Amino acid sequence: AQTVTQSQPEMSVQEAETVTLSCTYDTSESDYYLFWYKQPPSRQMILVIRQEAYKQQNATENRFSVNFQKAAKSFSLKISDSQLGDAAMYFCAYRSSDDKIIFGKGTRLHILP
Amino acid sequence: DTGVSQNPRHKITKRGQNVTFRCDPISEHNRLYWYRQTLGQGPEFLTYFQNEAQLEKSRLLSDRFSAERPKGSFSTLEIQRTEQGDSAMYLCASSPGRRGPGYTFGSGTRLTVV
Repeated sequence: AQTVTQSQPEMSVQEAETVTLSCTYDTSESDYYLFWYKQPPSRQMILVIRQEAYKQQNATENRFSVNFQKAAKSFSLKISDSQLGDAAMYFCAYRSSDDKIIFGKGTRLHILP
Repeated sequence: DTGVSQNPRHKITKRGQNVTFRCDPISEHNRLYWYRQTLGQGPEFLTYFQNEAQLEKSRLLSDRFSAERPKGSFSTLEIQRTEQGDSAMYLCASSPGRRGPGYTFGSGTRLTVV
């Protein structure tokens, strides 16, 4: 069975600085998708960024980028120029061949003004 | 289309009562998913549908839980004889398929069993 591990329950970063959230996963599949979701205090999950496992190039969405290391099964999220609105729970997620998404336990990100 | 809609937003019920939640997915999405999220945890998969067919149910979904998607559009999740351990956020999501951009989530229904 696939698992997703986020080892950082909470992190803090100064506004305008850069922060990296860690995620590792375990799978025997070769074709899968990885995601980072953001869940602000209002509780609606929002897709931040998506990575297809067959693509070597790391995904980027504006201030958000990933470091995808397939062999190491690592998928970290880098947030550049952190803003107060980035404060939220961030979930790393894995989408398997049977189309279920499995989530990690999340990292709560605090932005310090 | 305004996204995935869930009703009600909040539900407080007494232990032993039955509750039903509704999810309206994005209209062109044929896949619909139910997750449960407790405080401080990531969402846990409960079940999912492709059109009206329920393709998989998690072992988390006891016999007291049932989900339907009768016409391949909206879905309902019913919990019978609620227990305090059922208190959680119930999230619905939809997607156009596995190769799509990922799930779109609703705002969830928060259930409190007293």
